[in-house]
Amino acid sequence: EVQLVQSGAEVKKPGESLKISCKGSGYGFSNFWVAWVRQMPGKGLEWIGIIYLGDSDTRYTRYSPSFQAQVTISADKSIGTAYLQWNSLKASDTAIYYCARQTPIMDLYHFDFWGQGTLVTVSS
Amino acid sequence: DIQMTQSPSTLSASVGDRVTITCRASQSMSRRLAWYLQKPGKAPKLLIYNASSLESGVPSRFSGSGSGTEFTLTISSLQPDDFATYYCQHYSPFFHTFGQGTKLEIK
Repeated sequence: EVQLVQSGAEVKKPGESLKISCKGSGYGFSNFWVAWVRQMPGKGLEWIGIIYLGDSDTRYTRYSPSFQAQVTISADKSIGTAYLQWNSLKASDTAIYYCARQTPIMDLYHFDFWGQGTLVTVSS
Repeated sequence: DIQMTQSPSTLSASVGDRVTITCRASQSMSRRLAWYLQKPGKAPKLLIYNASSLESGVPSRFSGSGSGTEFTLTISSLQPDDFATYYCQHYSPFFHTFGQGTKLEIK
């Protein structure tokens, strides 16, 4: 069974850096695309970006225009883990961040498995 | 980029009711649409993909239809476990966007 396990909740101050993780397990997980989704308090879902775990080439990373240059998505294929990183957090980054696997079904791109979410709180 | 507009934002209904949620796209997107259910404090759960394909394990009271720019999610007979927030999603190889969500409340 496919599982995505995310790192634990974080409390940070504005200006600090942060890297959260999403580790997948299950058959052939290293060859899937993994997306990151933000949910601000009481709000809806926002797609941040997506990365292919099967190759470390940056050609296989895409960002929503709304998040480009705001965050960095990376991955370690050897351990089947995707990361979401901030260099300088803002209070407005306070949210739950979900990772999700993009389905391997050809010509379909929905998210079939989700992590449990990581709550990031940024407060002085 | 394609924008998704869901309606209504809030829907009040009773157990046993038939309800429909609509998602409209700013431009035609074939059938590249999924529906998710999210309960408070939980991750979203996939219900429907490819506009009308039921995800494995999802009850048959859930159904999806539509193509192009207008899509609907129908729950044929509401159960207590169905009261949650529902999101539509347009997907493509390198771009995803969600509707703003529909909160389904108990009347």
